[in-house]
Amino acid sequence: SQQGEEDPQALSIQEGENATMNCSYKTSINNLQWYRQNSGRGLVHLILIRSNEREKHSGRLRVTLDTSKKSSSLLITASRAADTASYFCATGSGAGSYQLTFGKGTKLSVIP
Amino acid sequence: GAGVSQSPSNKVTEKGKDVELRCDPISGHTALYWYRQRLGQGLEFLIYFQGNSAPDKSGLPSDRFSAERTGESVSTLTIQRTQQEDSAVYLCASSPYRQSQETQYFGPGTRLLVL
Repeated sequence: SQQGEEDPQALSIQEGENATMNCSYKTSINNLQWYRQNSGRGLVHLILIRSNEREKHSGRLRVTLDTSKKSSSLLITASRAADTASYFCATGSGAGSYQLTFGKGTKLSVIP
Repeated sequence: GAGVSQSPSNKVTEKGKDVELRCDPISGHTALYWYRQRLGQGLEFLIYFQGNSAPDKSGLPSDRFSAERTGESVSTLTIQRTQQEDSAVYLCASSPYRQSQETQYFGPGTRLLVL
């Protein structure tokens, strides 16, 4: 079953603008991760935030986690054309579990 | 160092034929995952290997799908009697972590088209 649901499904912005993508999930989690996928190929890990963290930064990326609302957001600041890709959230849940459950992704287009 | 590699990059086959997909994980990674991604969709878990433990095959969609892994090295995913619905990108990922759902490192995938 789908755990993470990204919103919006697609997003188109101008270069230099900020992009915000959201992820909602249903069950308690251990951590939440964001991945990027270019052109339907392999995913690249961007950032991991644990259930006891509220905010995390990595370069132009900012991730927030609200466990009370079961939601997370990924903010990309000062977007570039090279940021054009699909972005997926993945959740890890359950004690001793090793699976990540991926959402369907947000397709981001950054127009030069 | 070298990342996860997969071969072939693309595979076109006729309905009813068998196909074998290969994954070379990052050296030293004990965990290996296979996923299927249909066009425009998220990742669907297929199978998980952890060292020499029995694999978790709970995500395999039918008995036409099977996978093997030799120790902590190469894995092959075999699809027998392929159907058009098997057309998808098959992604492999490896991880050095044992206990928790930490970062996974993905290969470039194999794009399978069943005619």
